[in-house]
Amino acid sequence: AQSVTQLDSQVPVFEEAPVELRCNYSSSVSVYLFWYVQYPNQGLQLLLKYLSGSTLVKSINGFEAEFNKSQTSFHLRKPSVHISDTAEYFCAVSDAGYSTLTFGKGTMLLVSP
Amino acid sequence: ETGVTQSPTHLIKTRGQQVTLRCSSQSGHNTVSWYQQALGQGPQFIFQYYREEENGRGNFPPRFSGLQFPNYSSELNVNALELDDSALYLCASSAGQTQPQHFGDGTRLSIL
Repeated sequence: AQSVTQLDSQVPVFEEAPVELRCNYSSSVSVYLFWYVQYPNQGLQLLLKYLSGSTLVKSINGFEAEFNKSQTSFHLRKPSVHISDTAEYFCAVSDAGYSTLTFGKGTMLLVSP
Repeated sequence: ETGVTQSPTHLIKTRGQQVTLRCSSQSGHNTVSWYQQALGQGPQFIFQYYREEENGRGNFPPRFSGLQFPNYSSELNVNALELDDSALYLCASSAGQTQPQHFGDGTRLSIL
């Protein structure tokens, strides 16, 4: 069985500061890893994904995540956050492409001026 | 292209009642997955439908059931509603079982 642990339920940060949202997973098979973002009263939007190849993946809005197999981690980072980045972020894992996603409990990123 | 749409957006029911939630998948998508997101939790996989057949199920009791129609839209039915069924129910569609899942905005179900 797979599981995802997001250690921080809330991360407060000031605008333009760097941020890291932590994600660790457990799985007995090869995995695909994802970060989703959820704005209030909305569904989930795929932020970025790791399927294979380069362990560092990047989104179009400045987020990046690095797959670390030895530490079973897929932490999300952004060097400078904006107020508009305030949202809930979910890490997810799948062992068969996108077929079935197992999500963590989420981390609320709170960006203040 | 039209995205994933879910209806209704909000619903209030009482314990013991039955509910049907609906999902229109994105154009060209033949796979639909349903997730339950309780307050303060991440989404949990309920089941998936691929070309009108159930294709995987999470740890949910049989009173959670579903359908997928020839146009690939889908329904989630829940019988004998319990207070713990209060949650946001998310539908996600994809162009195949190993393709990216696109989520709708969900149906918020409240059980009184």
